[in-house]
Amino acid sequence: GAGVSQSPSNKVTEKGKDVELRCDPISGHTALYWYRQSLGQGLEFLIYFQGNSAPDKSGLPSDRFSAERTGGSVSTLTIQRTQQEDSAVYLCASTNPGGSPLHFGNGTRLTVT
Amino acid sequence: KQEVTQIPAALSVPEGENLVLNCSFTDSAIYNLQWFRQDPGKGLTSLLLIQSSQREQTSGRLNASLDKSSGRSTLYIAASQPGDSATYLCAETSFSTSGSRLTFGEGTQLTVNP
Repeated sequence: GAGVSQSPSNKVTEKGKDVELRCDPISGHTALYWYRQSLGQGLEFLIYFQGNSAPDKSGLPSDRFSAERTGGSVSTLTIQRTQQEDSAVYLCASTNPGGSPLHFGNGTRLTVT
Repeated sequence: KQEVTQIPAALSVPEGENLVLNCSFTDSAIYNLQWFRQDPGKGLTSLLLIQSSQREQTSGRLNASLDKSSGRSTLYIAASQPGDSATYLCAETSFSTSGSRLTFGEGTQLTVNP
């Protein structure tokens, strides 16, 4: 595709439910990042993929958060037993290593009620 | 731990003014520095990327500089226009045994008044 695509664009869920957020990176990009942006806050790093492996999971806030990437392409971020503090915009970005610019999707706005 | 700071947090200027946004970082082993623009409800758009071996990059009315020794980068916007109104974020890329990571500043919210 022409850019990074994220779905859904908006998600409202009840506290305690599980949610899955999807990211389709730019074709051929080997590196993929997930960030979280809370209202009025900066970007919080969650996880980094190089190919299908995740060498850096250090940003995941708790064990309720997990992510996977298959075929070196699509990535899914899963949040189990959602809490109200999980409400934020979840941004995905992709690039190729070696100093290329980072390309972001438009994000998924998650609201936990 | 890498830290990136942006000053000012918000800036309001009249149309046509030249302006400078500031970014400071603590990681002396920076790989590159990127400037992004974020419009409300949207993702980030990459504006300029400066490799650690470079001192500046230019694109149209935008010029970004990098001074590794002082840990600073500036984004210069010439002849500002209302369409430049957005939040501008800088991010430094560093490498560790876990791979690469971008650390973002909290952004400068720019308003250009007609």
